[in-house]
Amino acid sequence: GAVVSQHPSWVICKSGTSVKIECRSLDFQATTMFWYRQFPKQSLMLMATSNEGSKATYEQGVEKDKFLINHASLTLSTLTVTSAHPEDSSFYICSARSPAFTEAFFGQGTRLTVV
Amino acid sequence: QKEVEQDPGPLSVPEGAIVSLNCTYSNSAFQYFMWYRQYSRKGPELLMYTYSSGNKEDGRFTAQVDKSSKYISLFIRDSQPSDSATYLCAMRVGQGAQKLVFGQGTRLTINP
Repeated sequence: GAVVSQHPSWVICKSGTSVKIECRSLDFQATTMFWYRQFPKQSLMLMATSNEGSKATYEQGVEKDKFLINHASLTLSTLTVTSAHPEDSSFYICSARSPAFTEAFFGQGTRLTVV
Repeated sequence: QKEVEQDPGPLSVPEGAIVSLNCTYSNSAFQYFMWYRQYSRKGPELLMYTYSSGNKEDGRFTAQVDKSSKYISLFIRDSQPSDSATYLCAMRVGQGAQKLVFGQGTRLTINP
């Protein structure tokens, strides 16, 4: 299958700072990228969907000003958690999709800890 | 009521056993059904993909979809310790409708 690389794998930041997470499709062009959040022993919750070159569509209850998503190219999307607080600590996972594939491929996830 | 219900387990079975994992759902519009495997602190990996009702087999894995009962299953034959992971069911309405709805995931342990 195709490869989606997410960076960093884990990050610890101080409360009030911002953190950027990158999601790259390494061997295909991702027309659509998805960002999920997963709490321990819980399912993946879709945060937003982004199409290359356009604004992201956020799910109900997700603060767009807090979770900034940029999908500037067909191989890169970024999620920036602004003014992070301890309650933002979670596992963030991206997935990328191309019309050439039936399903999206997932990155390895980023564990964010806000202290 | 959640759109997709999945028993979180944990489920523990001996090596070589047949494992049955299940999900139920409430939205009759779901057409595409997936099973993902997720190892600890990793992203999900697509295992099986099924459209509409029926069975699909891939090696030791068999996926079943019963749309009349709104019930899907994943069977693992000759289970191995390396199969120990969390298994998530996921589904969506259509090819163009890209939003996946996930179950909670079942944590499976295969004991040597």
